[in-house]
Amino acid sequence: NAGVTQTPKFRVLKTGQSMTLLCAQDMNHEYMYWYRQDPGMGLRLIHYSVGEGTTAKGEVPDGYNVSRLKKQNFLLGLESAAPSQTSVYFCASRNREQASTDTQYFGPGTRLTVL
Amino acid sequence: AQSVTQPDIHITVSEGASLELRCNYSYGATPYLFWYVQSPGQGLQLLLKYFSGDTLVQGIKGFEAEFKRSQSSFNLRKPSVHWSDAAEYFCAVGPNSGGYQKVTFGTGTKLQVIP
Repeated sequence: NAGVTQTPKFRVLKTGQSMTLLCAQDMNHEYMYWYRQDPGMGLRLIHYSVGEGTTAKGEVPDGYNVSRLKKQNFLLGLESAAPSQTSVYFCASRNREQASTDTQYFGPGTRLTVL
Repeated sequence: AQSVTQPDIHITVSEGASLELRCNYSYGATPYLFWYVQSPGQGLQLLLKYFSGDTLVQGIKGFEAEFKRSQSSFNLRKPSVHWSDAAEYFCAVGPNSGGYQKVTFGTGTKLQVIP
């Protein structure tokens, strides 16, 4: 049981390049999230999904797109990277059955630098 | 809208001393409250959570937190800090209502432990 995994762990992009971050969970969780973490800002929700084939915007969705084609995977895409997207990105998942009280399980993070 | 304030950005304590990390929330009713810990280079791990019942909540690693409705607070405490407790701590709040629950994180408190 690997929990929540993220690929890649580190990445450096040039402005304008595109990339996709992959999040995978093996806990059969319904809910999945993408956050970004910046110094002094805590975690901010980018996009989330409440089930396969569904996605929704969070607090800071601009410049990002997501897809949830399979229940276990949640992809975060940057179509044209900007220096403002330099951050640490965390994926998390949660069980819908106890959505009100259950904990979110976090991946180890992806450190992205955009030059 | 719900919000969380962690007034202390950085705290330094001596090993063996007691610890209290402050968290204040804003929400119109009784919220769900969480404390997470993030070790360097790692994702977030749940320490404890409150959603109903006893206002003093016990968590992992010897931590506890007390929900005080009158003060809109959910402070984290530990009677004797260990060097391994050095990490960043995040308080989070979620709405106590049906349907999808969106959790809002505070900006974090970084704990330094000195010998």
